[in-house]
Amino acid sequence: KQEVTQIPAALSVPEGENLVLNCSFTDSAIYNLQWFRQDPGKGLTSLLLIQSSQREQTSGRLNASLDKSSGRSTLYIAASQPGDSATYLCAVRGGETSYDKVIFGPGTSLSVIP
Amino acid sequence: GAVVSQHPSWVICKSGTSVKIECRSLDFQATTMFWYRQFPKQSLMLMATSNEGSKATYEQGVEKDKFLINHASLTLSTLTVTSAHPEDSSFYICSAPSRWDTEAFFGQGTRLTVV
Repeated sequence: KQEVTQIPAALSVPEGENLVLNCSFTDSAIYNLQWFRQDPGKGLTSLLLIQSSQREQTSGRLNASLDKSSGRSTLYIAASQPGDSATYLCAVRGGETSYDKVIFGPGTSLSVIP
Repeated sequence: GAVVSQHPSWVICKSGTSVKIECRSLDFQATTMFWYRQFPKQSLMLMATSNEGSKATYEQGVEKDKFLINHASLTLSTLTVTSAHPEDSSFYICSAPSRWDTEAFFGQGTRLTVV
């Protein structure tokens, strides 16, 4: 059964810092991995999608990497801003027993202090 | 624009009543849709997989008689919370992948409050 973990559970940084969020998954036979942002009481905003054949994806100040063989992904946020404060969720799709299900990690709660 | 539409976005109901939540794929046909539940300060937990033309597949621990899923067409899946109780209050969100290798699209979510 696919399991997804995220470290750290919470993170508080001063504005301007670069930071890294980590995601690990147990079944490496995935189709893709997606990073989401969720603001309190709101739905999901898709940030980046990495296919299983890709190593990284970039969008603005965000860069996500994928090492499928080791079951790891990182989300790098450059020059953090208070508006980046939210919960960041890693989600993997696929797996030998999960097929096309999307399984979420527990999330990292980020707070960027002005 | 949104490719998956979920309705309603919020609902308040009395204990013992039933509530239906709709999930529609707008630009594509979805033979499979997923339903998730999120309790406060927790992540999204997969409840069930909705399959067009066949029975839904429920995750372990999810009561199939309480959470009725109907995949009526290739663009519509519904989740009915039957005999709702306050502990069913949660954020429910649906997802529809257009293809196995594309991103999964999510609805806006439904916040259910049972009083």
